[in-house]
Amino acid sequence: DAKTTQPPSMDCAEGRAANLPCNHSTISGNEYVYWYRQIHSQGPQYIIHGLKNNETNEMASLIITEDRKSSTLILPHATLRDTAVYYCIVRPVSNFGNEKLTFGTGTRLTIIP
Amino acid sequence: DAGITQSPRHKVTETGTPVTLRCHQTENHRYMYWYRQDPGHGLRLIHYSYGVKDTDKGEVSDGYSVSRSKTEDFLLTLESATSSQTSVYFCAISGRQGGDTQYFGPGTRLTVL
Repeated sequence: DAKTTQPPSMDCAEGRAANLPCNHSTISGNEYVYWYRQIHSQGPQYIIHGLKNNETNEMASLIITEDRKSSTLILPHATLRDTAVYYCIVRPVSNFGNEKLTFGTGTRLTIIP
Repeated sequence: DAGITQSPRHKVTETGTPVTLRCHQTENHRYMYWYRQDPGHGLRLIHYSYGVKDTDKGEVSDGYSVSRSKTEDFLLTLESATSSQTSVYFCAISGRQGGDTQYFGPGTRLTVL
């Protein structure tokens, strides 16, 4: 089952903010929203996650709507090194380590010089 | 990046031969995972471990076995490699308590001829 929906591709000019949307309309109250990215041929890289409040770290900001049915990942000043496939994932809060991460097809973000 | 290394990084082998991939972590994380990534399928969980000598199957475990004799090492073995096991294999780790963020290694590209 596809739990998240993302646009297949996006372009963003270098230096501008990149806003990547994600729809997760069936999210449950005990599920986090996680964002990873994968630069060509590398392992997935964790970016940020949140439950219901907006979050910010050194890489990005995560804005979650009040109804939690969608979110936006914001890269404030995109650089060429941000060109990657970005994955939005929902996963339950759990005390067990057996929860797999379900990566969909993601959004291929291309930063334009 | 979390202290995760995978070896070898690239391997070409022939059908029917045994292959062992190694994941090594320096983070003392309890949980370790093996995923495979194939075009059109995203990442799929093969096996995971929730402690030394404690392992369990993921969604695509057929043809694979794992072992974890110490906290820092998680081995994935293909007893008799097949061409369908040609893939990129990623190891991931997560913290002392289940539900923590998973961090991924750099991957091993395996080709079975």
